[in-house]
Amino acid sequence: AQRVTQPEKLLSVFKGAPVELKCNYSYSGSPELFWYVQYSRQRLQLLLRHISRESIKGFTADLNKGETSFHLKKPFAQEEDSAMYYCALRYPGATNKLIFGTGTLLAVQP
Amino acid sequence: DVKVTQSSRYLVKRTGEKVFLECVQDMDHENMFWYRQDPGLGLRLIYFSYDVKMKEKGDIPEGYSVSREKKERFSLILESASTNQTSMYLCASRAQGADGTDTQYFGPGTRLTVL
Repeated sequence: AQRVTQPEKLLSVFKGAPVELKCNYSYSGSPELFWYVQYSRQRLQLLLRHISRESIKGFTADLNKGETSFHLKKPFAQEEDSAMYYCALRYPGATNKLIFGTGTLLAVQP
Repeated sequence: DVKVTQSSRYLVKRTGEKVFLECVQDMDHENMFWYRQDPGLGLRLIYFSYDVKMKEKGDIPEGYSVSREKKERFSLILESASTNQTSMYLCASRAQGADGTDTQYFGPGTRLTVL
């Protein structure tokens, strides 16, 4: 079955330190992968999608099909990056469903 | 700007009550979703709808039903609320861009407590 795994429930870093939020997926085909973010007292929103190959708020994520990973990275964390991050998988032909991971809470300390 | 609204931010109900959670989107999207969000479990799909009167079960449909009579409105119904349905409920609406990109837009959530 298709699955998304985020192994860390909490990641705590200091401001200015590099950040890597891990995401692994299980799917044998060509998935579409996303990162969604939820800041405190705000609604869940799309951060980035792998097909766009974009950098949003300094974050990037590269799809590694060999390792079935889609880790989210930022070279220098900011306090305003503190939020809950969810990795999500959509696969073709699945009537547009998303499968979400369990989420990682990123806490950036001053 | 896409707007997804949910009828209540907080709701407290008693065991056995029938509960209605309403979601409205203003962008004429065909696809709408209901998730529950629980700590350590992430978001789990309850039901989704791909058009008016069309629905499909998600991963955890037991104890829930849905209604989509109009395109803009997607309702989640708890026929007989139980304490294990205490959770945050998120509604989402899906947009597909002209370039084939896919985005789900979420409502603010309804925190339901069942006593």
